[in-house]
Amino acid sequence: DAGVIQSPRHEVTEMGQEVTLRCKPISGHNSLFWYRQTMMRGLELLIYFNNNVPIDDSGMPEDRFSAKMPNASFSTLKIQPSEPRDSAVYFCASSFNSDEQYFGPGTRLTVT
Amino acid sequence: TQLLEQSPQFLSIQEGENLTVYCNSSSVFSSLQWYRQEPGEGPVLLVTVVTGGEVKKLKRLTFQFGDARKDSSLHITAAQTGDTGLYLCAGVASGTYKYIFGTGTRLKVLA
Repeated sequence: DAGVIQSPRHEVTEMGQEVTLRCKPISGHNSLFWYRQTMMRGLELLIYFNNNVPIDDSGMPEDRFSAKMPNASFSTLKIQPSEPRDSAVYFCASSFNSDEQYFGPGTRLTVT
Repeated sequence: TQLLEQSPQFLSIQEGENLTVYCNSSSVFSSLQWYRQEPGEGPVLLVTVVTGGEVKKLKRLTFQFGDARKDSSLHITAAQTGDTGLYLCAGVASGTYKYIFGTGTRLKVLA
């Protein structure tokens, strides 16, 4: 298995632009997590899906953030409009029944 | 709010030395995981501990879960340069799916 796949690996955008991050979980996994990592705040859970349904989005910072999981093999995290404080590394992780999580390589987002 | 504090925050040691990293909380966790993260990559799971007092060994790494399941430690014997990285602990409370990640310990092993 190729593991969790994320794209793009790096994204540089200007403030106000829309940003879409993509994730392909490991085949057969039914839980998907989006995290954000910064030096100041560490690794924070943004949203959790189980069987493609959002279960907990309490970690989503504000309405500018949205996430979808249209099927078991694809998820997106969208920021619109983006702000400089959104700059961080965004990770997607998947697991089977919320057991051991496998992380993707992350997307490093820079908003100028 | 559940918090996991890790100490030390930074650690720089010579190859061959031993070290211990701590993960502490006031909350009880049903299980706790340790991850290692290298620059430009996602965290990689090292071990999961679930029973109070449990000790697990992974080659030169020894993991212990506290008796009360509120804390954990990671001990590395004879550190190697390949052990360099960010070590993260993550705990999950009973009946939940949500892993709370610790603040991290950044380890650098010098040749």
